Amino acid sequence: AQSVTQLDSQVPVFEEAPVELRCNYSSSVSVYLFWYVQYPNQGLQLLLKYLSGSTLVKGINGFEAEFNKSQTSFHLRKPSVHISDTAEYFCAINFGNEKLTFGTGTRLTIIP
Amino acid sequence: GAGVSQTPSNKVTEKGKYVELRCDPISGHTALYWYRQSLGQGPEFLIYFQGTGAADDSGLPNDRFFAVRPEGSVSTLKIQRTERGDSAVYLCASSLAGWNEQFFGPGTRLTVL
Repeated sequence: AQSVTQLDSQVPVFEEAPVELRCNYSSSVSVYLFWYVQYPNQGLQLLLKYLSGSTLVKGINGFEAEFNKSQTSFHLRKPSVHISDTAEYFCAINFGNEKLTFGTGTRLTIIP
Repeated sequence: GAGVSQTPSNKVTEKGKYVELRCDPISGHTALYWYRQSLGQGPEFLIYFQGTGAADDSGLPNDRFFAVRPEGSVSTLKIQRTERGDSAVYLCASSLAGWNEQFFGPGTRLTVL
């Protein structure tokens, strides 16, 4: 079965500390991978995507993610977070059928 | 350029009523999607259009839900005999190609009393 798992529903992090938000998936087909961010009372905005090529992808606002095919993971990282990074983060996967399957989201809270 | 727009931003209705939610995609995007996001959850796929036709409607929960895109641009999601369980944020997205980035609108928050 095809599925997306975000293990952490909430992640509190001190300001300027590093953060990793985890995303794992289950699939028997090739996938396209995305991370979206949803700021309070706003729509979804694309942070970064992996379609092919280098497995380390860089996105907006200093975020990056690494596609690990053997571990079926696509974890999101940022070396130093800011208050403005407070938001809900969604991992989303295209399992080759054009629609996106989203994880349940991780709420990132930055502690001053 | 203009992004995906959705109207209304908020809709409050009574149980049993009919509602229409509108999506205006980015100009030139042939692919259009509807998702539903319940509180505390990630968006869930409802239906996908390629041009005027519904290429995949496997996410529509039942036959009370219907969507159209008659001219291959604006789309309308229609919900008949609304139920309290239909309360959610309805998101629309558009894309140049199905496998690439989808651009999301701000959503319509539907509340069924």
